[in-house]
Amino acid sequence: NAGVTQTPKFQVLKTGQSMTLQCAQDMNHNSMYWYRQDPGMGLRLIYYSASEGTTDKGEVPNGYNVSRLNKREFSLRLESAAPSQTSVYFCASSEGRRGLNTEAFFGQGTRLTVV
Amino acid sequence: GEDVEQSLFLSVREGDSSVINCTYTDSSSTYLYWYKQEPGAGLQLLTYIFSNMDMKQDQRLTVLLNKKDKHLSLRIADTQTGDSAIYFCAEGDYAGNNRKLIWGLGTSLAVNP
Repeated sequence: NAGVTQTPKFQVLKTGQSMTLQCAQDMNHNSMYWYRQDPGMGLRLIYYSASEGTTDKGEVPNGYNVSRLNKREFSLRLESAAPSQTSVYFCASSEGRRGLNTEAFFGQGTRLTVV
Repeated sequence: GEDVEQSLFLSVREGDSSVINCTYTDSSSTYLYWYKQEPGAGLQLLTYIFSNMDMKQDQRLTVLLNKKDKHLSLRIADTQTGDSAIYFCAEGDYAGNNRKLIWGLGTSLAVNP
């Protein structure tokens, strides 16, 4: 019972390098999210996808792009990494249907350091 | 704008009760959540309360909701060292057809033996 799987778990990048964080869920959820977590800043929403084929900006989208490849997968891309993007990144998913309590399930996180 | 506030730290002795408090601003919230994050892990839903309820009890956990004051609390009875974690309060609302969560910064609970 995998739930939400993120890869990689750890990554070190040099400033200016690019990378893609992968996320997959096996719960047939409609909605998927990318958050970053920084000390003293809590969880901040980067992008979300309410359903397959749609993506929307969250609170802190600058410097990131996303792709909802299919219902299962939602990737986050850093085109030109900056030290300010050093953070822990979490992918989450939920059923996303209006009017229902939809618990968000989280992956284990990707710890990214940009040097 | 919408906001969720929590105290950042709480320290208790093992066996005591812990009370973690949260205030929120969005009166249209339908659900209020408590999530737990253990070191090095993602967040897991601990419990939630629907906005038309005042209290919810689940084993050692008691959630109290004061809608008038927009205040939510989580009480953990007989706190154990395994309860040491960061606890996040979140309120749920809807943006279009999508459920949106507004998160507090998290309360770090330290349980001392």
